Amino acid sequence: QLQLQESGPGLVKSSETLSLTCSVSGASISSSSYYWGWIRQPPGKGLEWIGSIYYTGTTYYNLSLKSRVSISRDTSKNQFSLKMTSVTAADTAVYYCARHGSSYGFEAFDMWGQGTRVTVSS
Amino acid sequence: QSVLTQPPSASGTPGQRVTISCSGSNSNIGGNTVQWYQQLPGTAPKLLIYSSNQRASGVPDRFSGSRSGTSASLAISGLQSEDEADYFCEAWDDSLKELLFGGGTKLTVL
Repeated sequence: QLQLQESGPGLVKSSETLSLTCSVSGASISSSSYYWGWIRQPPGKGLEWIGSIYYTGTTYYNLSLKSRVSISRDTSKNQFSLKMTSVTAADTAVYYCARHGSSYGFEAFDMWGQGTRVTVSS
Repeated sequence: QSVLTQPPSASGTPGQRVTISCSGSNSNIGGNTVQWYQQLPGTAPKLLIYSSNQRASGVPDRFSGSRSGTSASLAISGLQSEDEADYFCEAWDDSLKELLFGGGTKLTVL
């Protein structure tokens, strides 16, 4: 059964770099035609797609965040990661990793991690 | 301000039918499929509807989706207390080359 689990520091200082990892079990991130993405949700607000990495390693980003964000993968550990530089209080959110591109279609996020809360402190 | 516009709130009584709208443009809803997610308090979103009107596996047939022009709707019939949650629409935007989410609608079961 597919499972995704986010991990990383819950507190990051303003202007520093946020680093999160998503560990995937039950499927290989490099052997199926899936996309593996990051989505965030600021407190009391809606969802925002940050970016995704295709099983080939190709990456796609939200244009408004592209200058500060990079998504990479470690196929040996079956993990993919998010790095966001120069964080501010506006980056405080719950960060989810999720899969899309299954038989439900490219746009449909059908499996999600439980989410990890990240607070940016001054 | 989300590109996909949803009403911030909706409500209904048990057994009623409620509809949640999602308004976009030709570059997103007008030309691409719409997905709907349910987010119960403190949990990750769950895929309810994909390809505008298809229910994901295990989703009760009380939930249905539709799309017309640049708008989409999620309908919930036979409303139950456990349907109280936030609902989000989502679509790809051809101009922005991004996946977009609506701002979300908080459904209250009175």
